[in-house]
Amino acid sequence: DSGVTQTPKHLITATGQRVTLRCSPRSGDLSVYWYQQSLDQGLQFLIQYYNGEERAKGNILERFSAQQFPDLHSELNLSSLELGDSALYFCASSVAGGPVSLSETQYFGPGTRLLVL
Amino acid sequence: SQELEQSPQSLIVQEGKNLTINCTSSKTLYGLYWYKQKYGEGLIFLMMLQKGGEEKSHEKITAKLDEKKQQSSLHITASQPSHAGIYLCGADPVTGNQFYFGTGTSLTVIP
Repeated sequence: DSGVTQTPKHLITATGQRVTLRCSPRSGDLSVYWYQQSLDQGLQFLIQYYNGEERAKGNILERFSAQQFPDLHSELNLSSLELGDSALYFCASSVAGGPVSLSETQYFGPGTRLLVL
Repeated sequence: SQELEQSPQSLIVQEGKNLTINCTSSKTLYGLYWYKQKYGEGLIFLMMLQKGGEEKSHEKITAKLDEKKQQSSLHITASQPSHAGIYLCGADPVTGNQFYFGTGTSLTVIP
């Protein structure tokens, strides 16, 4: 058990809908990272938040957004869902955000499996 | 991810055999991480390498980072069924503000 929790575990929705995925980092970790894992794209970095502020951005679509709240939990919002958004969404947390690099050991949650029909 | 090339894509070995998985980047890296993922589950952190030439071991798994910090290998000695899963390397290059993962190596260990 990494100490990172994600809810829900599974999510089934329809195209065009909007969903929110939630992540609670390990106690004491200030950074939260979001990743998307699909069969064709592999594991892709979406976005990182550090202590409430956006720290780094990866291959995140404009239809997706995230935020980190004062209690450090984070939410990933996916809107106007398409079939291709079906994937495993992971969040990870680390102690710091790193001013120079993202090189911090990241601890991953169990993931949210999203299926868009 | 094209930033990190991982090989082989899959590996089937007999229990007790040794094996090596490689991870190569075209860019110099700040750090190189190895993770293990059981099918459909989260990633489990194995090791982090940050210095050129560094080598770390944990139980029967050894990881090395080359001097140029562009290539890493993960070696498993005397493999066991519990080693089965997907091994992923992850890294962030010195230039840019991104974190990449390799495409993964699926390991099957036959008892």
